[in-house]
Amino acid sequence: DADVTQTPRNRITKTGKRIMLECSQTKGHDRMYWYRQDPGLGLRLIYYSFDVKDINKGEISDGYSVSRQAQAKFSLSLESAIPNQTALYFCATSDPGTYNEQFFGPGTRLTVL
Amino acid sequence: DQQVKQNSPSLSVQEGRISILNCDYTNSMFDYFLWYKKYPAEGPTFLISISSIKDKNEDGRFTVFLNKSAKHLSLHIVPSQPGDSAVYFCAIGGGFKTIFGAGTRLFVKA
Repeated sequence: DADVTQTPRNRITKTGKRIMLECSQTKGHDRMYWYRQDPGLGLRLIYYSFDVKDINKGEISDGYSVSRQAQAKFSLSLESAIPNQTALYFCATSDPGTYNEQFFGPGTRLTVL
Repeated sequence: DQQVKQNSPSLSVQEGRISILNCDYTNSMFDYFLWYKKYPAEGPTFLISISSIKDKNEDGRFTVFLNKSAKHLSLHIVPSQPGDSAVYFCAIGGGFKTIFGAGTRLFVKA
C-alpha cells in the first residue's frame, strides 16, 4: 500500500464551487505539506503543518484553506474555486531528521471550468 | 523571481551515455540540495541529496555535484538507461522550507 494517498485523483469542477482534496499518510510523520504544480513553475508551497496544532501559510495560500484532522490526515480546501486554480496538487510528508527529504502522494489533477 | 532555475526544459540522451542535468540557485542560506524524479501520474520521489558542507555525493549511477561559489548544482547519471526517462526537479532546502525548480524532462533513447 502507498505511504501517502490522495483523493480524488482527478476532479473537474465549476467556478465558485467548494472543493476539498484529502491526503492521508501511514509514514508516521508529523510534517505535512500541500503543493501545486503548474507548467514551467515547479512545485509551489500552499500550506504546511508541523503537527496537528501547527499550521502555516506557504508562498501561495490565498484562496486556499487547510485542516489537519489528525497526524495522518491533512485536507486542502478551495472555498470558491476559480479557473487559475487549475493545477496538479501534491501532498507530502517529511521527518525533520532526514535532510528535508519529502515523500509525495500521487497527486490530484484539478480542473476548474 | 525564481530562486531555483533549471534552464533546460528537456534533455535527450542516448542509452549508455552520461546525462547531466543542471540547476542554478540564488539563495545561499539553504543547507541541503536535493534531486527528485517524477514519472507521469506519480508524485515526485527523492533521488539524491547533498549537504552544503560537501561538493560531491554519489549513489550508484547518480552523482550530485555542488559548486557553492557558482551557486550551481548538477546531477550526473552514468550510464543512462531508458527507465531514467522522467522529469527531474532540483530543490534547495533548509529548516522547514524547500524550494523547487521547474524541472527538466530527460529522454533516454534506446
